[in-house]
Amino acid sequence: DTEVTQTPKHLVMGMTNKKSLKCEQHMGHRAMYWYKQKAKKPPELMFVYSYEKLSINESVPSRFSPECPNSSLLNLHLHALQPEDSALYLCASSPETGGNGYTFGSGTRLTVV
Amino acid sequence: AQKVTQAQTEISVVEKEDVTLDCVYETRDTTYYLFWYKQPPSGELVFLIRRNSFDEQNEISGRYSWNFQKSTSSFNFTITASQVVDSAVYFCALIPFSGNTGKLIFGQGTTLQVKP
Repeated sequence: DTEVTQTPKHLVMGMTNKKSLKCEQHMGHRAMYWYKQKAKKPPELMFVYSYEKLSINESVPSRFSPECPNSSLLNLHLHALQPEDSALYLCASSPETGGNGYTFGSGTRLTVV
Repeated sequence: AQKVTQAQTEISVVEKEDVTLDCVYETRDTTYYLFWYKQPPSGELVFLIRRNSFDEQNEISGRYSWNFQKSTSSFNFTITASQVVDSAVYFCALIPFSGNTGKLIFGQGTTLQVKP
């Protein structure tokens, strides 16, 4: 299995909702990442987990809450989002933090109404 | 500064033309990794190539080729005999080795439109 699987593919949520994005990989990778991509912009790093510990938080608002329950799974919990949070959320993994074997999922397209 | 610059915002070519996408990077690290990704309208990021800073050999893969020149801090990407299916946004990206963060630093992207 050489894939990173993200669910759901599309999500529409209200500003008072709570929802979660899920990311899974079975490649034995120990680093996992969340990126956010606005329309016509490059992806921007949000969080990095290394060996299930949060190693980087790029000053992301607390309405985004990451979680890494085990080495294969990465969640992004969403609460009280704003319409400007509408974007493509991409998950990625790599064997370790570094330049090897970076694999992206196909993303979750989030719309906040 | 750690930065990637893709000066070409949009390029439009006619099918079968050759096209080169420019990428210039800045990093204070001597060890780093460079990438090219393709993003079609469906949104997924498709990995094209990874190069480390010690490997300046140019690479060819089918119609794709890459020219890595440390002297000019450039990592350009050429598509030979372009096809309509090459239409996409192309991102050049950098991972500096220092800090070992794994953070990909992307350029702004170049939108390539290949017309039939």
